[in-house]
Amino acid sequence: DGGITQSPKYLFRKEGQNVTLSCEQNLNHDAMYWYRQDPGQGLRLIYYSQIVNDFQKGDIAEGYSVSREKKESFPLTVTSAQKNPTAFYLCASSMRGRSSYNEQFFGPGTRLTVL
Amino acid sequence: AQSVSQHNHHVILSEAASLELGCNYSYGGTVNLFWYVQYPGQHLQLLLKYFSGDPLVKGIKGFEAEFIKSKFSFNLRKPSVQWSDTAEYFCAVRNAGNMLTFGGGTRLMVKP
Repeated sequence: DGGITQSPKYLFRKEGQNVTLSCEQNLNHDAMYWYRQDPGQGLRLIYYSQIVNDFQKGDIAEGYSVSREKKESFPLTVTSAQKNPTAFYLCASSMRGRSSYNEQFFGPGTRLTVL
Repeated sequence: AQSVSQHNHHVILSEAASLELGCNYSYGGTVNLFWYVQYPGQHLQLLLKYFSGDPLVKGIKGFEAEFIKSKFSFNLRKPSVQWSDTAEYFCAVRNAGNMLTFGGGTRLMVKP
C-alpha cells in the first residue's frame, strides 16, 4: 500500500527541547517537502529536498533542520530556536520536474504542541 | 515574492446551494494552479489542477475551476454542494522554481 507516513500523530514538547518528526514514503519519489499549517495561513514551506543528500530552505526555515540520507526518509527537527513551534506539520513528496503528473502527495500530519 | 489570496476564510452553505471560492495569485509568469481539499481527519488531497489548454478544469466530486489569466484568478465552483463537502479548501500556485505557494485556506461548512 503506497503512501506517506508521518509519526507520531500527536507530539508534546517542553520548551527548550528539540524534537524530531518522522516522514517516510514508499512512492519512489525523489522530492520531499515539509510544510507548517497554521489556522488562516495555509501551508508554508519549511524545507524541501529534490534528491538524496541535498536540501534547500523554504520560506520559514529558521529554527528547523532536516536531513535526507535516504530516498524514503526526510525527518524534520524542530529546535529550541523555533519561537512558535506549536502547529500542524505536513510532509509531502513528488516526482521531480514540472510535469502535470508531478503533483505533491501529502502525509497525515503531526500535531506538535509545546507545553 | 509570489502570493496566493483566498478571500473567504469561512463559508457556510445549505445543501444544494452553489459554491464559488475565490483564489487570486500574484505571480506574473507561467504558473500551474491547484486546488487541494482537507476533509476532517483526512490527508490533504488534490481536487483538480490546471497546467495548460482549456481554462475550465474539471476535478473530482463534481468540482470545477476556471483559470482567468487576465484576472490572475482560479476560482473553484460546484453547482450543488453536499454535506460531505464540508472541509477546508486550499488554492496553490506552482511557479518556475517548482515550489508550491498556498493560500490561507477556506473552511466550508455545509448544513444538512
